[in-house]
Amino acid sequence: DTGVSQNPRHKITKRGQNVTFRCDPISEHNRLYWYRQTLGQGPEFLTYFQNEAQLEKSRLLSDRFSAERPKGSFSTLEIQRTEQGDSAMYLCASSLGEQFFGPGTRLTVL
Amino acid sequence: KNEVEQSPQNLTAQEGEFITINCSYSVGISALHWLQQHPGGGIVSLFMLSSGKKKHGRLIATINIQEKHSSLHITASHPRDSAVYICAVRRHGGSQGNLIFGKGTKLSVKP
Repeated sequence: DTGVSQNPRHKITKRGQNVTFRCDPISEHNRLYWYRQTLGQGPEFLTYFQNEAQLEKSRLLSDRFSAERPKGSFSTLEIQRTEQGDSAMYLCASSLGEQFFGPGTRLTVL
Repeated sequence: KNEVEQSPQNLTAQEGEFITINCSYSVGISALHWLQQHPGGGIVSLFMLSSGKKKHGRLIATINIQEKHSSLHITASHPRDSAVYICAVRRHGGSQGNLIFGKGTKLSVKP
């Protein structure tokens, strides 16, 4: 499968725990994006990388959130001290032009 | 008011019907995307438009830049078309990353 992949697909955690998600983009794509989608809403932009450089961060990305793309390939999104309001689908996309989306990681914070 | 508005929010159709989903936006854009999201979350990009009209199979997308409006049409609808259809725009002069999404239109096609 040469599409965008995300792991895990589902994560259930207790409030206060840290979680980390991974996104593997399409191999030749230099741009990588993270979005968050809550129930009944469209996705909201979180952050964007071009190669290993994080070029833009939304104000939605509080200091509990950190994203990295250390070698310009895969990316990780970490949420520290999770809160119930962090429960959402976290979507990754990659592009050279048009964005291709991964299947998402559904996070449930109890 | 959201910068991207879609209508209707929910749509139920009978198999074979012609379907139209509308998207209006209030900002200057460099591109507009139509996306399809199935239950379970995965998003598939259907079209990226900056002008005119595109067609792929039974799907047609049009955009009127002057009116800041786009439509997605599905001809001869089928139950497998049931999904959420999302309109997203890239703001003119905005970064490559920052797409602004509508809330989506949930389509259900009955056999």
